[in-house]
Amino acid sequence: ETGVTQTPRHLVMGMTNKKSLKCEQHLGHNAMYWYKQSAKKPLELMFVYNFKEQTENNSVPSRFSPECPNSSHLFLHLHTLQPEDSALYLCASSQVLGANTGELFFGEGSRLTVL
Amino acid sequence: AQKITQTQPGMFVQEKEAVTLDCTYDTSDQSYGLFWYKQPSSGEMIFLIYQGSYDEQNATEGRYSLNFQKARKSANLVISASQLGDSAMYFCAMREGRGDDKIIFGKGTRLHILP
Repeated sequence: ETGVTQTPRHLVMGMTNKKSLKCEQHLGHNAMYWYKQSAKKPLELMFVYNFKEQTENNSVPSRFSPECPNSSHLFLHLHTLQPEDSALYLCASSQVLGANTGELFFGEGSRLTVL
Repeated sequence: AQKITQTQPGMFVQEKEAVTLDCTYDTSDQSYGLFWYKQPSSGEMIFLIYQGSYDEQNATEGRYSLNFQKARKSANLVISASQLGDSAMYFCAMREGRGDDKIIFGKGTRLHILP
């Protein structure tokens, strides 16, 4: 139990569907992240929110839409995805200020399959 | 240009032997942090060890140590007395800048421990 919870753990959707991934952290951290992990590729940083403000959008297609209503919750809204978007989506949180090392605490991931 | 390079896609090591996983990084910042994560087949990302760029001593955490060679921009992970449970993917990662919230990962090394 890392203190970061992701739902759903598995999601299958068609290319015309709209779905959302949810992430919640119970660690009091000020930053939250979405990473994409595809087979045989490094973890790709998608979005970073620091104190609810988006500080990083790593050239992610607009069919992925993040939302951070508060520092404990992070969503990834999915719309008209492509089969190549099938991957493990990992949420993480960290405390990036002060003397902290700022290591990431990851959720267990949401395995997305786009048909 | 790749900022984190892990040159070993896969390694096979006999149980109880020590193993070194290579990581080189590229940054122009003076302040940065280096991390190692383990990802077993179950998928969760487990934080192992952290090294700050200003830390003079190599970081150690139990059987894990980080061989930090700043001039060479190298941050190799050493696992002593390897165990079967060490079989996993290992990722090197870097955070740039003090308080920066962006952490990027290398492609990883798959470690197989042989009985």
